[in-house]
Amino acid sequence: AQSVAQPEDQVNVAEGNPLTVKCTYSVSGNPYLFWYVQYPNRGLQFLLKYITGDNLVKGSYGFEAEFNKSQTSFHLKKPSALVSDSALYFCAVRPGYNAGNMLTFGGGTRLMVKP
Amino acid sequence: EAGVAQSPRYKIIEKRQSVAFWCNPISGHATLYWYQQILGQGPKLLIQFQNNGVVDDSQLPKDRFSAERLKGVDSTLKIQPAKLEDSAVYLCASSPTLSGGEQYFGPGTRLTVT
Repeated sequence: AQSVAQPEDQVNVAEGNPLTVKCTYSVSGNPYLFWYVQYPNRGLQFLLKYITGDNLVKGSYGFEAEFNKSQTSFHLKKPSALVSDSALYFCAVRPGYNAGNMLTFGGGTRLMVKP
Repeated sequence: EAGVAQSPRYKIIEKRQSVAFWCNPISGHATLYWYQQILGQGPKLLIQFQNNGVVDDSQLPKDRFSAERLKGVDSTLKIQPAKLEDSAVYLCASSPTLSGGEQYFGPGTRLTVT
């Protein structure tokens, strides 16, 4: 069975500083990996995905994520945090070999960016 | 393009009552998903449709939950009878295909069972 771990319930960072939100995964075969963001009282918004190719993936709002196969990680990063980045972030994984296989989400990490 | 629509946005019911949620996916999206998100947790897939057929309902509590997508477009999720532990946000998502694509989520329905 596949699983996702987001080891930090909350990440605090000052505006303008770099941020990292951690994610590790477990899945059979090659993974499809995703990051979503959730603002209060709203559904999840897609940020970026890794399917194949370059290990550094760039996404919306200046976010990027680095796929590391040996460490089974897919950490979300941004060079300079904004207060408006404060939200709940979810990492998700599914196996790449089976198109019908379900997406499994991590428990989420709350990002707090302080002015 | 219009996003995924869900209604109602909020619902409060007593335990043992019934409730239904509605979802209209993005036009042309063949795949539709229902998720349950309990406070403080990530979304958990309940059921996945490809057009009007069920792809995966392994995590749907079938003794009380049911879902349909009769014409392959909009969908309803029903709970009958509701339990206190069903209190959660129910998210609907859609994607153009099953394979590799990101999912687009609606705003969700917040259900409170008292």
